[in-house]
Amino acid sequence: DAEITQSPRHKITETGRQVTLACHQTWNHNNMFWYRQDLGHGLRLIHYSYGVQDTNKGEVSDGYSVSRSNTEDLPLTLESAASSQTSVYFCASSESPASDTQYFGPGTRLTVL
Amino acid sequence: AQTVTQSQPEMSVQEAETVTLSCTYDTSENNYYLFWYKQPPSRQMILVIRQEAYKQQNATENRFSVNFQKAAKSFSLKISDSQLGDTAMYFCAFVSGGGADGLTFGKGTHLIIQP
Repeated sequence: DAEITQSPRHKITETGRQVTLACHQTWNHNNMFWYRQDLGHGLRLIHYSYGVQDTNKGEVSDGYSVSRSNTEDLPLTLESAASSQTSVYFCASSESPASDTQYFGPGTRLTVL
Repeated sequence: AQTVTQSQPEMSVQEAETVTLSCTYDTSENNYYLFWYKQPPSRQMILVIRQEAYKQQNATENRFSVNFQKAAKSFSLKISDSQLGDTAMYFCAFVSGGGADGLTFGKGTHLIIQP
C-alpha cells in the first residue's frame, strides 16, 4: 500500500544546530507540503512543492528550507535551530494541489533546547 | 489571505448523541474546497469529509455530514450516533481552487465523547 513516512518520529536538538527532517511518500504525488502544529495555532504551512525542482514558501517559512530532487522525498531543514521551532512537524502529499485530499505522515516531534 | 475560524475550543457529549462542530471561513474566491480532518491521540491526521464549493449538495460519509452554507461562509460538521472512538481533535481546513498556499487550518475543536 502507498504511504507517507517521516523520520525521525522524535528528535531533541540544541539551539544553533542544523536539523533535517525526512519525508518520503510512495503515492507518486507531485505535490508535497510541510506543516507545523503548535498549541493554539492549528497547523500552519511552512513550505510546499508542486514537483521536482519546485519549492515555494508558506506562511511560516523563516528559518526553514526544502529541496526537491525527486518525486518521493521532500526533506525539511532547519538551518540553525531555535527554541521557537519546537513543534510537531507534518509532511503531506496530494495528487492535485487543491482538489484532492492531502495525505499526512505520522508527524515528527522536535524539541530544541 | 484566507482565514478559518473554529469557535468551539472544546465540546463534550454523551455516547450515541449527535454533535455539531462549527467552522466559518473568510475568502474572496469562488472556487475552493473545504475539509474536516480528525486527529486522535495517535496524532495521525485523518480525512473525515471533503466539500467542493461549487457543489450545493452537502457531503456525507456514513455518520458524518456537513452543512455547507456558501453565502454565509459556514461549514459545520455533524456527527450522528457518536462513538467513543470519535474522541479527537477536529480541524476544519480550506484550500483555494488554484491550490496556492496549501491548506489553511482552523485552530481545532477538541471533541470528547463520554461513555
